[in-house]
Amino acid sequence: DAGVTQSPTHLIKTRGQQVTLRCSPISGHKSVSWYQQVLGQGPQFIFQYYEKEERGRGNFPDRFSARQFPNYSSELNVNALLLGDSALYLCASSLSIGNQPQHFGDGTRLSIL
Amino acid sequence: AQSVTQLGSHVSVSEGALVLLRCNYSSSVPPYLFWYVQYPNQGLQLLLKYTSAATLVKGINGFEAEFKKSETSFHLTKPSAHMSDAAEYFCAVSDPDLSGGYNKLIFGAGTRLAVHP
Repeated sequence: DAGVTQSPTHLIKTRGQQVTLRCSPISGHKSVSWYQQVLGQGPQFIFQYYEKEERGRGNFPDRFSARQFPNYSSELNVNALLLGDSALYLCASSLSIGNQPQHFGDGTRLSIL
Repeated sequence: AQSVTQLGSHVSVSEGALVLLRCNYSSSVPPYLFWYVQYPNQGLQLLLKYTSAATLVKGINGFEAEFKKSETSFHLTKPSAHMSDAAEYFCAVSDPDLSGGYNKLIFGAGTRLAVHP
């Protein structure tokens, strides 16, 4: 079975632009979470979605938004990009919410110039 | 609030030597703990998880971790290091939000393991 897939793998944007990152969960997984990993740090939680509803949000500004589709895939949108948004954005899926292992994709490397 | 501290941002061992990566946690509820490994330019791969069953947890690639409640620790070990073990290792604790009905992972800052011949 395919793992979590993310696209694109790399992206270069300039300050002020908007970006959309995409994630397809493992088949059968209904929950998708997004994390931001800045170079040299551990991942930081951004959102968790379950059954197309936002169930949790981390300490990120409103420029960050996401949604989950009926097929459980997800998009992360970031508006008005700042230099500090440069990071690896990781998507993770799990069977449901709760204390279940989250399985990560390889991420999207976003660079802001 | 849950938190994770990984002692040692860099650990270097010889091939064949014992690997010990340290993780201490803080949790207001019975913790669910995880170790993940990250190879260069890749995402995180789950090594093992503790979910309140056996305190000694065996994972993939010969790794294991022992949950010690009295020490609030969940250290990762491997008896004999291999060159392919060189990577970044992250300890994480599950942080449930009972009111929101969701669960997120709180990660430590990571430990970079180097294995030399």
